[in-house]
Amino acid sequence: NAGVTQTPKFQVLKTGQSMTLQCAQDMNHNSMYWYRQDPGMGLRLIYYSASEGTTDKGEVPNGYNVSRLNKREFSLRLESAAPSQTSVYFCASSARQGQNTEAFFGQGTRLTVV
Amino acid sequence: GQQLNQSPQSMFIQEGEDVSMNCTSSSIFNTWLWYKQDPGEGPVLLIALYKAGELTSNGRLTAQFGITRKDSFLNISASIPSDVGIYFCAPRANFGNEKLTFGTGTRLTIIP
Repeated sequence: NAGVTQTPKFQVLKTGQSMTLQCAQDMNHNSMYWYRQDPGMGLRLIYYSASEGTTDKGEVPNGYNVSRLNKREFSLRLESAAPSQTSVYFCASSARQGQNTEAFFGQGTRLTVV
Repeated sequence: GQQLNQSPQSMFIQEGEDVSMNCTSSSIFNTWLWYKQDPGEGPVLLIALYKAGELTSNGRLTAQFGITRKDSFLNISASIPSDVGIYFCAPRANFGNEKLTFGTGTRLTIIP
């Protein structure tokens, strides 16, 4: 059982380049999330998707776009990377409220923008 | 918007000591989750609290859902080296709101 799978694990980008972080879950969860983690800032929510076909902004959405391609996959896109987007990115998924609401996390993507 | 405060930001303790950390918010929640993150890994759930006033234990961990529904604490008794890591609270709001936000974390270091 793979759980939540993120790719890539590491990435270095030049300022202005674009890239897409991929996330897939095999737990049939409705909700999926993208977070970034910076030292001293904890986990900050970028975007989330409560169900297939819906996405909502989190705390720090600027500079990012997301796509909930289907129930399994939720991708995060940086159209024009900036050094301020250097961070560790985590994808997570959970069942809907009212059920077991534990969020499961991927291993993270360490992104450096130079 | 909601304000979520987690404290302390970091703790340096000796093995065998007890640990206490807490989260407070300006908003009411119906679920409090506590996660631990080991270096290089994603967070993993430790304890989930679903009812105001609830006190739940998981081995050496004890957590409580505050009666006002605006706060929660996590205690670790008799700390051991593998307790090192970052601990996060993650409250959830009412049914239908799928947003899940995290506290800023408490970094636990055990001094040899």
